[in-house]
Amino acid sequence: TQLLEQSPQFLSIQEGENLTVYCNSSSVFSSLQWYRQEPGEGPVLLVTVVTGGEVKKLKRLTFQFGDARKDSSLHITAAQPGDTGLYLCAGAPPGGSNYKLTFGKGTLLTVNP
Amino acid sequence: GAVVSQHPSWVICKSGTSVKIECRSLDFQATTMFWYRQFPKQSLMLMATSNEGSKATYEQGVEKDKFLINHASLTLSTLTVTSAHPEDSSFYICSASESSYEQYFGPGTRLTVT
Repeated sequence: TQLLEQSPQFLSIQEGENLTVYCNSSSVFSSLQWYRQEPGEGPVLLVTVVTGGEVKKLKRLTFQFGDARKDSSLHITAAQPGDTGLYLCAGAPPGGSNYKLTFGKGTLLTVNP
Repeated sequence: GAVVSQHPSWVICKSGTSVKIECRSLDFQATTMFWYRQFPKQSLMLMATSNEGSKATYEQGVEKDKFLINHASLTLSTLTVTSAHPEDSSFYICSASESSYEQYFGPGTRLTVT
C-alpha cells in the first residue's frame, strides 16, 4: 500500500509570507498531482509533475518532484488571502491502468490579511 | 475543458430513504470515475472506482450494497445511498478520468440525513 505523508497539516500565516508544503513517501510514483480545494467545493487540479527533478511554476506557486519520484513540494511566494484552502497532493502508482490515486491528508492553509 | 458536474449539490433526506447522486463529465468521455467521501477539514477517502459498463470496485470497508454505483455511460455515473442513516451524512465528491492519472473533480454533494 502506497502512503503519502503530507505536512504540515495546518498552516496559518500572514499575507506576504512564503510557505512550503511537503509530500513524502517511501514509494515511487509515476506522477504526482497537486490540488486546491475551497470549502464546499471539489478539488481543482493545479499541476501534474511527471519527471524526477521536475520543477513547474504557476505564478507564485512552485512545484517540485523529487529526483527519485518519492516526494514533492509546493512553495508559495508572497501568500495572499485568496490562497486560503485545503491543498492536497496525490500520487499515481507506477504501471497499472486503474488510475487510482493515493492522496495525502491535506494541508489546510489560512492566509490572514 | 475537463468539467465535471454533480447533482444535486446538496440534499436533505429522512433516515431510511435512498438518495441518488449523479456525476457527469461534460466535455470529455470518462473512462473511469471515482467516488469519494470527505469529512470536514479532512482529505478525500476513496469509496469506489467504476469503469463504464462494468461493476464498481469498492474499497475495503465500504458496503457495496449500501452505496450502489452505476456507470452506465462514458459521461455518467451515479451513486445511490440506500437506507440512509445520519452517519451517512457527509460530503460526497466524484471525479472523472479520461485516459491518464489526472482526475477532474465535481463540485461535491452535501448529504444530510435527518
